[in-house]
Amino acid sequence: GENVEQHPSTLSVQEGDSAVIKCTYSDSASNYFPWYKQELGKGPQLIIDIRSNVGEKKDQRIAVTLNKTAKHFSLHITETQPEDSAVYFCAAEGGSYIPTFGRGTSLIVHP
Amino acid sequence: NAGVTQTPKFRILKIGQSMTLQCAQDMNHNYMYWYRQDPGMGLKLIYYSVGAGITDKGEVPNGYNVSRSTTEDFPLRLELAAPSQTSVYFCASSYLQTYNEQFFGPGTRLTVL
Repeated sequence: GENVEQHPSTLSVQEGDSAVIKCTYSDSASNYFPWYKQELGKGPQLIIDIRSNVGEKKDQRIAVTLNKTAKHFSLHITETQPEDSAVYFCAAEGGSYIPTFGRGTSLIVHP
Repeated sequence: NAGVTQTPKFRILKIGQSMTLQCAQDMNHNYMYWYRQDPGMGLKLIYYSVGAGITDKGEVPNGYNVSRSTTEDFPLRLELAAPSQTSVYFCASSYLQTYNEQFFGPGTRLTVL
């Protein structure tokens, strides 16, 4: 089955800095890669996603890049703000149509 | 729309007790999922359903059962609770099965002592 590795497990940045979270996946058939943000005490919420026929996607301060050859994808957050502090999960979805999630990255943005 | 709702928010069980975690959605989604979240381990799929009357096992189904009698409800049953089932449980739903956002409930924090 699919295996998704996510790094780092914790990321601490100063407000205004950029943050990058990286994920790798094992199943070359995976073709959909969503990113979820989980705030404390809440369920995860989709913030951005990308399909395999696209190399990059942006939405305001967040962007996701995908390298299918290397089987890795990344989340980029620019101009970080304290409200960006949360746990971020990457996921990969392939032939089973069920996403496999990474272990999560706890992002801490210091004011 | 309330989205995905879960009850209870918190529960403490004794070893060997049973309980049902409730999940409901009002978005008319066919696809529903149950995950458990353990610290540092991400989200593990327990069971999922592609429609009323149809359920299937996920990655970690042992010790759990589900049913889907209506489109709206997808309860998760724990039989003979064990300390290993201490976790946060999330229910989710989606409109499509693939290329599609999953909407998560607020979670149920379960402790088995």
